[in-house]
Amino acid sequence: DAKTTQPNSMESNEEEPVHLPCNHSTISGTDYIHWYRQLPSQGPEYVIHGLTSNVNNRMASLAIAEDRKSSTLILHRATLRDAAVYYCIEVTGNQFYFGTGTSLTVIP
Amino acid sequence: GAGVSQSPRYKVAKRGQDVALRCDPISGHVSLFWYQQALGQGPEFLTYFQNEAQLDKSGLPSDRFFAERPEGSVSTLKIQRTQQEDSAVYLCASSLAGQGLSAQYFGPGTRLLVL
Repeated sequence: DAKTTQPNSMESNEEEPVHLPCNHSTISGTDYIHWYRQLPSQGPEYVIHGLTSNVNNRMASLAIAEDRKSSTLILHRATLRDAAVYYCIEVTGNQFYFGTGTSLTVIP
Repeated sequence: GAGVSQSPRYKVAKRGQDVALRCDPISGHVSLFWYQQALGQGPEFLTYFQNEAQLDKSGLPSDRFFAERPEGSVSTLKIQRTQQEDSAVYLCASSLAGQGLSAQYFGPGTRLLVL
């Protein structure tokens, strides 16, 4: 069974912010939350990860709910290069559970 | 710097053949992971190494699948007596640390087609 739940697809206009939601209701206190994205015919690319606090890096921001049962990946200004499948991953031990991800379409 | 590399990029095998897939992780990365990705699905965990020790092989689908990392760097995933259901992209990833503490860096994958 998938450990995370994400919408199958989302659309965003170019240069607008995008909020990608994820539910991980079975997460334990020590499980990290990772986000990766994947373009066709490429391996997944690391985006961001966190445990409890919100995190920012040059690619995105990660907002983690206080109860840690959900998180949101925020792309501050979508570009055409951000079109990809985004995976929210709950890490248990050394196992990364990918699920089926959210396919993001960016509209010019 | 050099990322994770995998070879071959594409492999066509006849059913029943043995195949070997190679992964060269980022230098200095302790952790190495193998995943299987079927068409239209997310990657599924196969196995995990910390240095040369295979600490988790719970995701290997059958005893036809075998992985090794004898010197703690390069890893090989071997599939014996390939079956059509083994057709997938096999991804390798490495990271500085395990337990989700650090990012995983993925190779481009090996696309295996079993006829």
